[in-house]
Amino acid sequence: KQEVTQIPAALSVPEGENLVLNCSFTDSAIYNLQWFRQDPGKGLTSLLLIQSSQREQTSGRLNASLDKSSGRSTLYIAASQPGDSATYLCAVSPLTSGSRLTFGEGTQLTVNP
Amino acid sequence: KAGVTQTPRYLIKTRGQQVTLSCSPISGHRSVSWYQQTPGQGLQFLFEYFSETQRNKGNFPGRFSGRQFSNSRSEMNVSTLELGDSALYLCASTKGWGYGEETQYFGPGTRLLVL
Repeated sequence: KQEVTQIPAALSVPEGENLVLNCSFTDSAIYNLQWFRQDPGKGLTSLLLIQSSQREQTSGRLNASLDKSSGRSTLYIAASQPGDSATYLCAVSPLTSGSRLTFGEGTQLTVNP
Repeated sequence: KAGVTQTPRYLIKTRGQQVTLSCSPISGHRSVSWYQQTPGQGLQFLFEYFSETQRNKGNFPGRFSGRQFSNSRSEMNVSTLELGDSALYLCASTKGWGYGEETQYFGPGTRLLVL
């Protein structure tokens, strides 16, 4: 059974700091790994999708890497801003049932002005 | 391009009642997935519909059911509501053809409170 773990559970940083969020998964048989952002009481916003054959993806100040063999992914946020405050979730799409995403518990990020 | 829409946004029900939630996917998307989010269990997959057929199913009791219409809109139904069904219910849509490349686009969710 696929398990996804995110570390840390919560993170508080001053504005401008670069930071890394970690995600690990137990089964490397995946189609892709996705990073999402969730604001309180809201739905999920897709940030980055990394296909299993890729090593990283970049979008603006965000960079996500994937090491499928070790079951790890990182989300790097450069020059953090208060507007980045949210819960960040990673999810994997298993080869056995691609649409059935397995999510981590999330990292709650607070960026202080 | 309109995003995924869910109705209603908020619902209050009592134990034993049933509820129907609706999800309209992005135009052109044929796959709709449903998830339950609770503080204790996080995000859990309920089921996925593609071209009016259930393609994947999570580990939820039979009280949870769904369907998809020819226009790709989907509904999920929960019968005999229990207190533990209180949650944020999210739906997501994709074109449905290629798991590896496709981002799932989520709606804003329906917040269900069971009293």
